[in-house]
Amino acid sequence: DVKVTQSSRYLVKRTGEKVFLECVQDMDHENMFWYRQDPGLGLRLIYFSYDVKMKEKGDIPEGYSVSREKKERFSLILESASTNQTSMYLCASRRSREQFFGPGTRLTVL
Amino acid sequence: AQSVTQLGSHVSVSEGALVLLRCNYSSSVPPYLFWYVQYPNQGLQLLLKYTSAATLVKGINGFEAEFKKSETSFHLTKPSAHMSDAAEYFCAVNENNYGQNFVFGPGTRLSVLP
Repeated sequence: DVKVTQSSRYLVKRTGEKVFLECVQDMDHENMFWYRQDPGLGLRLIYFSYDVKMKEKGDIPEGYSVSREKKERFSLILESASTNQTSMYLCASRRSREQFFGPGTRLTVL
Repeated sequence: AQSVTQLGSHVSVSEGALVLLRCNYSSSVPPYLFWYVQYPNQGLQLLLKYTSAATLVKGINGFEAEFKKSETSFHLTKPSAHMSDAAEYFCAVNENNYGQNFVFGPGTRLSVLP
């Protein structure tokens, strides 16, 4: 069975902190994605990766970076968290035309 | 460029009534189209997808959607709503050129009234 896991379901951080969100998939998929979800805006793509050490900016990459050192793991990094990064973060991996989503991390930045 | 609109951020239906959630898309090439469902505090789950085969697509939990190229629509329907259908529904488009990006609509929250 397909599985995408995210390291935390809920996270509270302070402004200026460095934040790591981890995502792991067990399906040997090459493509992985990070989205943020905000009410009324749907999902917006932050970054995606199509192979180890390869990354591409999505629609809203400002304030974020990513790391993909191993095929199964894709990390989202907030270098200096700000209150406007309070959101739900969803990780996904892709096989053919289907994306498989993790449960999400609800991040609150105080 | 791809885009997706969903008419109605919130739809309420009575249990047993027809569910209709609207999705319109724009795409410069033949698209792949998807409906996802999100239950509270969970990730997104695929309901169904259109991949240029049959225009009427059946999905899980009794949902189906019809691709209408002339109307650029992919509306989601279910003949009889159940309380467990209460969730948020997202329509998404992926251009049929092996593009990496999926574009999601803003979502429609479905409430089912007893």
